[in-house]
Amino acid sequence: AQSVSQHNHHVILSEAASLELGCNYSYGGTVNLFWYVQYPGQHLQLLLKYFSGDPLVKGIKGFEAEFIKSKFSFNLRKPSVQWSDTAEYFCAVNADSSASKIIFGSGTRLSIRP
Amino acid sequence: NAGVTQTPKFQVLKTGQSMTLQCAQDMNHNSMYWYRQDPGMGLRLIYYSASEGTTDKGEVPNGYNVSRLNKREFSLRLESAAPSQTSVYFCASSPQGRHEQYFGPGTRLTVT
Repeated sequence: AQSVSQHNHHVILSEAASLELGCNYSYGGTVNLFWYVQYPGQHLQLLLKYFSGDPLVKGIKGFEAEFIKSKFSFNLRKPSVQWSDTAEYFCAVNADSSASKIIFGSGTRLSIRP
Repeated sequence: NAGVTQTPKFQVLKTGQSMTLQCAQDMNHNSMYWYRQDPGMGLRLIYYSASEGTTDKGEVPNGYNVSRLNKREFSLRLESAAPSQTSVYFCASSPQGRHEQYFGPGTRLTVT
């Protein structure tokens, strides 16, 4: 069965620090990969997505993610975080092209100290 | 466009009561989904509807039923609520051929 692992449950950083959130998935075939963000009290919003092509994907608000097929990873990065990046971040994978089911990771809570 | 809307925003039920959570989207999306979000567990798929007229079980369907009323609306029903169903419920939709999902604002349900 497909699964998505986010090993960091809670990350605390100071403003201007660099961020990398880990995401690993278990599926050997073609995958579509996503990062969603949930700001406090809000619904999930798409941050970025990878379907094919360049494995380095740029999203909104300065975030990027790199798909490394050999490592089954899709880590999220940002060179310099801001207090407004405080949120919960979810990695997700779709490995069933016949349906639009997405499997979500358990999420990483990011807290930024001003 | 309002996107994905959900009603109600908050609900408190007693054990054994029933209720229906409503979801509607105005983006002409084919697929719709219901998730529950619990602390430390991410989002778990309850049911989904790949297209109008079809519904399928997700990871955690027990205790729930769904109806895809038309292309716009997808409701989730709890026939006999249990405390284990206390959660935040999100509805989502996605367009045909694309897999990113668009989420509603959620319904916070407490079962006492």
